[in-house]
Amino acid sequence: IQMTQSPSSLSASVGDSVTITCRASQAIGIDVGWFQQKPGKAPKLLIYEVSTLKSGVSSRFSGRGSGTEFTLTISSLQPEDFATYYCLQDYNDYTFGQGTKLEIK
Amino acid sequence: QMQLQESGPGLVKSSETLSLTCAVSGDSINSGYFYWSWIRQSAGKGLEYVGRIDNSGNVNYNPSLRGRVTISLDTSMNQFSLRLTSTTAADTATYYCATGKIPASPGRTFDIWGQGTLVTVSS
Repeated sequence: IQMTQSPSSLSASVGDSVTITCRASQAIGIDVGWFQQKPGKAPKLLIYEVSTLKSGVSSRFSGRGSGTEFTLTISSLQPEDFATYYCLQDYNDYTFGQGTKLEIK
Repeated sequence: QMQLQESGPGLVKSSETLSLTCAVSGDSINSGYFYWSWIRQSAGKGLEYVGRIDNSGNVNYNPSLRGRVTISLDTSMNQFSLRLTSTTAADTATYYCATGKIPASPGRTFDIWGQGTLVTVSS
């Protein structure tokens, strides 16, 4: 299963809201997670089961979708949110999206 | 809170075997039923699943690596390991170990990650 993530990069300002999309090559139900990665660090799980926030993750992060299209929205961007984000499908084996680098405008 | 830490050589000669260990701390590897996974990240291929093992010893490997990869569990040492044979420059990557509870909620197989270790395969 391929996960096509867009955009590959994104510039935004503190306080903005942004949305990142992942499209699966086939229907994958709700078997989707989202990760945040900062330079030199391991990815951190933010959201699983499409929309469930992992404990301790800010409610500014939200996930939606079903079937083949899934989105991660970050509202009211804070300086610590500028990072690279990845989606993951674990419906059939495991495939990550190519990543979206979120930069400060 | 469980923590993971990778260790192993940072440099491997092409055609030789890459061996890494992931030490589990903060809890026993047998404290529950978990997936113990390896994921790698290279500039060219992004994040790539390598394989996983569960507490019963059941393994699952990325089909693109099958035949070269072995993951094992050492409960006495509270760690699990990765072996990748016949390495090439394409295996140069940062290797992460990760874990998640079984049954895993969808999308939560890789719940906790180690910090990662860079392995360079040189000719």
